[in-house]
Amino acid sequence: QSALTQPPSASGSPGQSVTISCTGTSSDVGGHNYVSWYQQHPGEAPKLVIFEVTERPSGVPDRFSASKSGNTASLTVSGLQPEDEADYYCSSYAGDNNFVFGTGTKVTVL
Amino acid sequence: QLQLQESGPGLVKSSETLSLTCSVSGVSITDRSFFWGWIRQPPGKGLEWIGTFFWSGSTHYNPSLKSRITMSADTSKNQVSLSVTSVTAADSAVYYCARISAFYSYMDVWGKGTTVTVSS
Repeated sequence: QSALTQPPSASGSPGQSVTISCTGTSSDVGGHNYVSWYQQHPGEAPKLVIFEVTERPSGVPDRFSASKSGNTASLTVSGLQPEDEADYYCSSYAGDNNFVFGTGTKVTVL
Repeated sequence: QLQLQESGPGLVKSSETLSLTCSVSGVSITDRSFFWGWIRQPPGKGLEWIGTFFWSGSTHYNPSLKSRITMSADTSKNQVSLSVTSVTAADSAVYYCARISAFYSYMDVWGKGTTVTVSS
């Protein structure tokens, strides 16, 4: 199984929106509604921000939203804030008890 | 309070076996609502799923690592363990354990991670 494809970087000014794509195949992203997104600040463990394609865990701001179309999932961070600067990883269930992560995207708040 | 804590040697010699333990508090590792996963992150690189330990005691490993991976558990200590045999420099990484929702396949609680360096 290959890593899901994400753009290496994305950026936006405070208050703006940034959208990150996550492209897989019909065996993972396209075949299951089990896409999740993780935020990782330097030196810290990843933190779940989206699960089951569009759902936000308790405590995650509603500035974080996500969607999926075909084999591509997307995460949008609206109203960018300085603390949103981090690496973001998508993940998908890939069938047969396998998981796959994305290549990661570094979000910079300008 | 739910916590996951990884532990193990920070330095392992090439060709030897790496052994790590994830101590879980606040929930039983036999709770049928959850599985337990290991994920690693080489320096400056992305996340890689290593494998999953199921509450039933069964396991499933990343096909690319399967031949070198073993996961097990000590229910009396509420711990899940990971072994990686024949390590090389490519196995140097931060190793995380995480709780996986059994229903929707996401990792909702992570340990802080433990850094492992493979030396020659």
